[in-house]
This record gives sequence, C-alpha cells and structure tokens, in this order.
Amino acid sequence: EAQVTQNPRYLITVTGKKLTVTCSQNMNHEYMSWYRQDPGLGLRQIYYSMNVEVTDKGDVPEGYKVSRKEKRNFPLILESPSPNQTSLYFCASRPAGREPYGYTFGSGTRLTVV
Amino acid sequence: RKEVEQDPGPFNVPEGATVAFNCTYSNSASQSFFWYRQDCRKEPKLLMSVYSSGNEDGRFTAQLNRASQYISLLIRDSKLSDSATYLCVVNMGNTPLVFGKGTRLSVIA
Repeated sequence: EAQVTQNPRYLITVTGKKLTVTCSQNMNHEYMSWYRQDPGLGLRQIYYSMNVEVTDKGDVPEGYKVSRKEKRNFPLILESPSPNQTSLYFCASRPAGREPYGYTFGSGTRLTVV
Repeated sequence: RKEVEQDPGPFNVPEGATVAFNCTYSNSASQSFFWYRQDCRKEPKLLMSVYSSGNEDGRFTAQLNRASQYISLLIRDSKLSDSATYLCVVNMGNTPLVFGKGTRLSVIA
C-alpha cells in the first residue's frame, strides 16, 4: 500500500531531550515536507526537500533539523525541544513533475514537550 | 502578506443543503490548485485538484478563476459525513505547497 509512515504517533518528552520523528514513504516521491499544525495557525511548513541531499527551510524552521540521505526517509530532529514545539506534526510527500500532484500525508505525530 | 486566504467559518448547514467555499491567493504565478479535507486530529487528505476549466467529482465541484485569483468549492446535497475542515492549497511550481488555514463545515441533521 502506498503510504507515508510517521513514528511515533504520540510522544511526551521533557525540555532539552533530543528527539527524532521518523518519516518514510514507499512511493519513490522526490518531494518531502514537514509541517506543524497549531490551533488558529493552520499548517505551517518547517522544512522541505526536493530530492536526496537537497533540503530547504520553510516558514518556521527554528529549533528543527532535517536530513535527506535516502529518497524514502526524511527525519525531523529536535535537538533541544522546548514547550513551544508542542504541536501536531505531519510529514508529506509528492512526486516532482509538471502534473498537479498533491501531497500525501502521514498520520501525524502529536508531540508534547513538558 | 497572506498567500492563501479562506473564511475560517464555521459554516453550519442542514443536511441536503448546498454550500460553497471560496479561497483567494496572492501569487499570480501560482500553477496548480487543490482542495484538501481534514477531519479532526487526522491528516489532510486530497479531495480534488482544481483545473482552469472547472471540474466535478460527484457532489463536489471546483472552479478556478485565474483573473481574480480565487478558487471555489461547491458541495451539493450535503451529508453529515461532509463535516470537516476544507483546506485550499496552491502550488507555484517547484516550490512547496502553500496551505490556507481552512474552512470548517458542520452539516447538521
């Protein structure tokens, strides 16, 4: 089944403890993105990647890192999480190309930083 | 500068009603357009792409007006299961998709 898989689905952690949220897609998509969603603010892009070893900042990159060493994986790293990073996180992917491809989203990771 | 703007709602409509949402975008170079549906605490899912000529998928009709830079979604014969948040999404080519904040729809029995 074609899908984007995020792990974990739920995570409660303490301030300053490094964590990684994994994202993997099995559709051979070039583009991958991380979003966070907060009430009243909608989906805001954190980082995106247009292909292996190509990443760029989105609208809210502060406090996050990403890497794209393989096409299928795009982990999100919080080196020193803070309470303002408590949010619902989504990973998404789509193919490159001229056709109007939408994103396929993972099921989300609900992160709480205390 | 808000790139994609939507009325947040909520729109509360009775079953069987027709409801329309509009969305405006600021970048005239935008190339492709989508409507997504998001249920509470779930991931957004692609509802339909929006084409210049307009397109229909069952009870759903999407329209694009490039001159006025707006996109619309029409839902006919609303069902309870249509209750969700509808996100307008714009793509400017090789750049990330830009999402509106969404319009909430509640269909009431």
